[in-house]
Amino acid sequence: GAVVSQHPSWVICKSGTSVKIECRSLDFQATTMFWYRQFPKQSLMLMATSNEGSKATYEQGVEKDKFLINHASLTLSTLTVTSAHPEDSSFYICSAPGGALVSGELFFGEGSRLTVL
Amino acid sequence: DQQVKQNSPSLSVQEGRISILNCDYTNSMFDYFLWYKKYPAEGPTFLISISSIKDKNEDGRFTVFLNKSAKHLSLHIVPSQPGDSAVYFCAASNSGTYKYIFGTGTRLKVLA
Repeated sequence: GAVVSQHPSWVICKSGTSVKIECRSLDFQATTMFWYRQFPKQSLMLMATSNEGSKATYEQGVEKDKFLINHASLTLSTLTVTSAHPEDSSFYICSAPGGALVSGELFFGEGSRLTVL
Repeated sequence: DQQVKQNSPSLSVQEGRISILNCDYTNSMFDYFLWYKKYPAEGPTFLISISSIKDKNEDGRFTVFLNKSAKHLSLHIVPSQPGDSAVYFCAASNSGTYKYIFGTGTRLKVLA
């Protein structure tokens, strides 16, 4: 089946630094990818929709200047957490539609756990 | 405003018995629903889906039921196995958008 891979799976950084997370579709092309974050014992909250070749669409309450998304190719989307602070510590997950439109299935990456000290 | 709700944060079931996980939604525009299983520190893995034109979809031990009038869906796992222990999320969307709204999850524990 379709595979989505994220890197890194675990990152620790100092407050004020920026961190880039990559999301790749390994065996299919994804014109659209989705970025979520999950706090402990909470739901996956959609942050933004990443669109290949155009600007990302952010959900209400998500700072676009804080969470920079780039979707430069059909197999890669990146999320950069700029000037990270401890409250940005979370589990970030990407997903991409892998099947036919009628199936509606999303394939998820393994997730990236960010800890900001 | 939580459009997709899973009111039971946890559920314990004996091995071999049926597990029933419930999910309610408020947006009548939702017409495609997914169930995912998630282990800690991993991404969710797809289990089963259902569209609003159906009221039941079955795949092996997993069956999803949809009651559109009640805006309710449920996932039945039978027989339950210890390896089914995980957090289960339901998700809903308008068909074709892939913009899914996830529920808060139910932690299932299957006791051996």
